[in-house]
Amino acid sequence: AQKITQTQPGMFVQEKEAVTLDCTYDTSDPSYGLFWYKQPSSGEMIFLIYQGSYDQQNATEGRYSLNFQKARKSANLVISASQLGDSAMYFCAMREDNQGGKLIFGQGTELSVKP
Amino acid sequence: GAVVSQHPSWVICKSGTSVKIECRSLDFQATTMFWYRQFPKQSLMLMATSNEGSKATYEQGVEKDKFLINHASLTLSTLTVTSAHPEDSSFYICSARDWERPGNTIYFGEGSWLTVV
Repeated sequence: AQKITQTQPGMFVQEKEAVTLDCTYDTSDPSYGLFWYKQPSSGEMIFLIYQGSYDQQNATEGRYSLNFQKARKSANLVISASQLGDSAMYFCAMREDNQGGKLIFGQGTELSVKP
Repeated sequence: GAVVSQHPSWVICKSGTSVKIECRSLDFQATTMFWYRQFPKQSLMLMATSNEGSKATYEQGVEKDKFLINHASLTLSTLTVTSAHPEDSSFYICSARDWERPGNTIYFGEGSWLTVV
Protein backbone atom coordinates (compact mmCIF):
# COMPACT_ATOMS: atom_id res chain seq x y z
CA ALA A 1 0.00 0.00 0.00
CA GLN A 2 1.14 3.50 -0.79
CA LYS A 3 2.42 5.23 2.31
CA ILE A 4 2.44 8.67 0.76
CA THR A 5 -0.08 9.69 -1.87
CA GLN A 6 -0.12 12.77 -4.01
CA THR A 7 -3.15 12.65 -6.26
CA GLN A 8 -2.38 15.68 -8.41
CA PRO A 9 0.15 14.87 -11.14
CA GLY A 10 0.03 18.45 -12.37
CA MET A 11 -1.33 21.75 -11.18
CA PHE A 12 -1.61 25.21 -12.70
CA VAL A 13 -1.85 28.43 -10.76
CA GLN A 14 -1.93 32.06 -11.74
CA GLU A 15 0.94 34.20 -10.57
CA LYS A 16 0.25 35.88 -7.20
CA GLU A 17 -2.52 33.43 -6.34
CA ALA A 18 -2.42 30.73 -3.68
CA VAL A 19 -2.30 27.03 -4.46
CA THR A 20 -2.78 23.88 -2.39
CA LEU A 21 -0.90 20.69 -3.13
CA ASP A 22 -2.46 17.59 -1.62
CA CYS A 23 -0.72 14.86 0.33
CA THR A 24 -2.12 11.99 2.34
CA TYR A 25 -0.14 9.44 4.27
CA ASP A 26 -0.53 6.13 6.00
CA THR A 27 1.38 4.97 9.04
CA SER A 28 0.82 3.14 12.29
CA ASP A 29 3.90 4.70 13.87
CA PRO A 30 2.75 7.38 16.35
CA SER A 31 5.98 9.30 15.85
CA TYR A 32 6.69 10.51 12.36
CA GLY A 33 7.61 13.57 10.37
CA LEU A 34 6.21 14.99 7.19
CA PHE A 35 8.26 16.98 4.69
CA TRP A 36 7.72 18.92 1.54
CA TYR A 37 10.48 19.34 -1.01
CA LYS A 38 10.72 21.34 -4.20
CA GLN A 39 12.69 19.86 -7.07
CA PRO A 40 13.51 22.12 -10.00
CA SER A 41 14.72 20.72 -13.31
CA SER A 42 18.31 20.75 -12.00
CA GLY A 43 17.38 17.87 -9.71
CA GLU A 44 18.36 19.34 -6.38
CA MET A 45 15.98 18.69 -3.51
CA ILE A 46 15.05 21.93 -1.79
CA PHE A 47 13.57 21.55 1.68
CA LEU A 48 10.46 23.66 2.15
CA ILE A 49 8.69 22.75 5.36
CA TYR A 50 8.43 20.12 8.08
CA GLN A 51 5.66 18.95 10.39
CA GLY A 52 6.24 16.59 13.28
CA SER A 53 3.45 14.27 14.29
CA TYR A 54 3.34 15.73 17.77
CA ASP A 55 3.43 19.35 16.67
CA GLN A 56 0.29 21.12 17.84
CA GLN A 57 0.41 23.93 15.36
CA ASN A 58 0.60 23.87 11.59
CA ALA A 59 4.07 24.62 10.30
CA THR A 60 4.76 27.79 8.38
CA GLU A 61 7.86 28.94 6.52
CA GLY A 62 7.48 32.22 4.71
CA ARG A 63 5.05 31.71 1.83
CA TYR A 64 4.71 28.02 2.64
CA SER A 65 2.32 26.58 5.16
CA LEU A 66 1.38 23.03 5.92
CA ASN A 67 -2.25 22.19 6.58
CA PHE A 68 -1.83 19.25 8.92
CA GLN A 69 -4.96 17.25 9.62
CA LYS A 70 -3.80 14.34 11.69
CA ALA A 71 -7.12 12.51 11.96
CA ARG A 72 -7.47 12.59 8.19
CA LYS A 73 -3.79 11.80 7.72
CA SER A 74 -3.31 14.67 5.36
CA ALA A 75 -0.51 17.20 5.09
CA ASN A 76 -1.32 19.61 2.31
CA LEU A 77 1.13 22.29 1.25
CA VAL A 78 -0.20 25.78 0.70
CA ILE A 79 1.89 28.21 -1.31
CA SER A 80 0.68 31.76 -1.06
CA ALA A 81 1.34 34.52 -3.59
CA SER A 82 2.73 32.16 -6.24
CA GLN A 83 5.77 33.29 -8.18
CA LEU A 84 7.05 32.17 -11.56
CA GLY A 85 10.03 30.64 -9.82
CA ASP A 86 7.73 28.30 -7.94
CA SER A 87 7.25 26.22 -11.09
CA ALA A 88 8.79 22.85 -10.25
CA MET A 89 8.06 19.36 -9.00
CA TYR A 90 6.87 19.16 -5.41
CA PHE A 91 7.24 16.07 -3.31
CA CYS A 92 5.64 15.15 -0.03
CA ALA A 93 7.65 12.74 2.09
CA MET A 94 7.33 10.93 5.40
CA ARG A 95 9.88 9.79 7.91
CA GLU A 96 8.71 7.14 10.33
CA ASP A 97 10.75 7.35 13.50
CA ASN A 98 10.96 3.61 13.88
CA GLN A 99 12.59 3.46 10.43
CA GLY A 100 15.56 5.74 11.06
CA GLY A 101 16.09 8.72 8.82
CA LYS A 102 14.85 7.33 5.53
CA LEU A 103 12.17 9.20 3.68
CA ILE A 104 9.34 7.72 1.66
CA PHE A 105 8.20 10.00 -1.12
CA GLY A 106 4.90 10.59 -2.81
CA GLN A 107 4.53 10.55 -6.57
CA GLY A 108 5.03 14.27 -6.87
CA THR A 109 3.02 17.17 -8.27
CA GLU A 110 4.28 19.31 -11.12
CA LEU A 111 3.32 22.89 -10.45
CA SER A 112 3.22 25.41 -13.25
CA VAL A 113 2.79 29.08 -12.44
CA LYS A 114 1.25 31.15 -15.21
CA PRO A 115 2.16 34.82 -15.69
CA GLY B 1 27.00 25.98 1.25
CA ALA B 2 26.36 22.30 0.70
CA VAL B 3 26.20 20.17 3.80
CA VAL B 4 26.09 16.94 1.81
CA SER B 5 28.19 16.84 -1.31
CA GLN B 6 27.74 14.33 -4.10
CA HIS B 7 30.20 13.62 -6.88
CA PRO B 8 30.17 13.43 -9.82
CA SER B 9 27.21 15.52 -10.87
CA TRP B 10 27.20 14.01 -14.34
CA VAL B 11 28.74 10.82 -15.62
CA ILE B 12 28.56 9.01 -18.92
CA CYS B 13 29.90 5.49 -19.07
CA LYS B 14 29.99 2.67 -21.53
CA SER B 15 27.74 -0.32 -21.15
CA GLY B 16 29.41 -3.04 -19.12
CA THR B 17 31.64 -0.75 -17.11
CA SER B 18 31.26 0.25 -13.47
CA VAL B 19 30.80 3.73 -12.11
CA LYS B 20 31.21 5.03 -8.57
CA ILE B 21 29.25 7.87 -7.01
CA GLU B 22 30.37 9.47 -3.76
CA CYS B 23 28.28 11.07 -1.07
CA ARG B 24 30.03 13.09 1.64
CA SER B 25 28.71 14.79 4.73
CA LEU B 26 30.73 17.98 5.16
CA ASP B 27 29.75 19.39 8.53
CA PHE B 28 28.57 16.42 10.50
CA GLN B 29 29.13 12.74 11.00
CA ALA B 30 26.64 10.59 9.18
CA THR B 31 26.42 7.09 10.54
CA THR B 32 23.57 6.46 8.15
CA MET B 33 23.10 7.65 4.60
CA PHE B 34 20.38 6.87 2.11
CA TRP B 35 20.54 6.28 -1.63
CA TYR B 36 17.65 7.08 -3.93
CA ARG B 37 17.05 6.59 -7.60
CA GLN B 38 14.80 8.73 -9.72
CA PHE B 39 13.67 8.17 -13.29
CA PRO B 40 12.43 11.14 -15.34
CA LYS B 41 9.08 12.47 -14.22
CA GLN B 42 8.92 9.94 -11.39
CA SER B 43 9.38 10.00 -7.66
CA LEU B 44 12.46 9.24 -5.61
CA MET B 45 12.67 5.56 -4.83
CA LEU B 46 14.75 4.48 -1.86
CA MET B 47 17.35 1.96 -2.94
CA ALA B 48 19.25 1.27 0.25
CA THR B 49 20.32 2.46 3.66
CA SER B 50 24.06 2.81 3.99
CA ASN B 51 25.37 2.01 7.47
CA GLU B 52 28.83 3.07 8.58
CA GLY B 53 30.97 0.07 9.35
CA SER B 54 28.39 -2.53 8.40
CA LYS B 55 26.48 -3.85 5.43
CA ALA B 56 23.94 -1.76 3.66
CA THR B 57 20.27 -2.55 3.95
CA TYR B 58 18.67 -2.85 0.54
CA GLU B 59 15.05 -2.24 -0.30
CA GLN B 60 13.04 -5.01 -1.84
CA GLY B 61 13.77 -5.47 -5.51
CA VAL B 62 17.15 -3.72 -5.48
CA GLU B 63 20.02 -5.95 -6.58
CA LYS B 64 22.75 -5.72 -3.97
CA ASP B 65 25.36 -7.20 -6.31
CA LYS B 66 24.46 -4.63 -8.93
CA PHE B 67 24.47 -1.61 -6.66
CA LEU B 68 27.39 -1.91 -4.27
CA ILE B 69 27.31 0.42 -1.29
CA ASN B 70 30.28 1.08 0.93
CA HIS B 71 30.21 3.31 4.00
CA ALA B 72 33.76 3.09 5.25
CA SER B 73 33.87 6.32 7.21
CA LEU B 74 31.50 8.56 9.12
CA THR B 75 31.48 11.09 6.31
CA LEU B 76 31.58 9.07 3.12
CA SER B 77 29.27 6.60 1.42
CA THR B 78 29.81 5.33 -2.10
CA LEU B 79 27.43 3.74 -4.56
CA THR B 80 28.98 1.66 -7.32
CA VAL B 81 26.83 0.67 -10.24
CA THR B 82 28.50 -2.48 -11.53
CA SER B 83 28.32 -3.66 -15.12
CA ALA B 84 26.12 -0.73 -15.97
CA HIS B 85 23.55 -1.02 -18.73
CA PRO B 86 21.42 1.62 -20.44
CA GLU B 87 18.47 0.82 -18.18
CA ASP B 88 20.59 1.92 -15.22
CA SER B 89 20.64 5.43 -16.63
CA SER B 90 18.95 7.52 -13.99
CA PHE B 91 19.32 10.28 -11.42
CA TYR B 92 20.91 9.03 -8.21
CA ILE B 93 20.75 11.11 -5.07
CA CYS B 94 21.89 10.56 -1.51
CA SER B 95 20.72 11.95 1.79
CA ALA B 96 21.89 11.96 5.37
CA ARG B 97 20.33 12.87 8.67
CA ASP B 98 22.17 14.97 11.23
CA TRP B 99 21.18 13.16 14.41
CA GLU B 100 22.48 15.99 16.58
CA ARG B 101 19.91 18.35 15.12
CA PRO B 102 16.10 18.35 15.13
CA GLY B 103 14.29 15.56 13.35
CA ASN B 104 13.72 17.58 10.23
CA THR B 105 17.40 17.96 9.51
CA ILE B 106 17.84 15.70 6.52
CA TYR B 107 20.24 16.87 3.91
CA PHE B 108 20.37 15.84 0.26
CA GLY B 109 23.31 15.77 -2.04
CA GLU B 110 23.15 17.57 -5.36
CA GLY B 111 22.44 14.32 -7.19
CA SER B 112 24.25 12.49 -9.95
CA TRP B 113 22.98 12.03 -13.47
CA LEU B 114 24.16 8.71 -14.87
CA THR B 115 23.94 7.96 -18.58
CA VAL B 116 25.01 4.55 -19.81
CA VAL B 117 25.69 4.36 -23.53
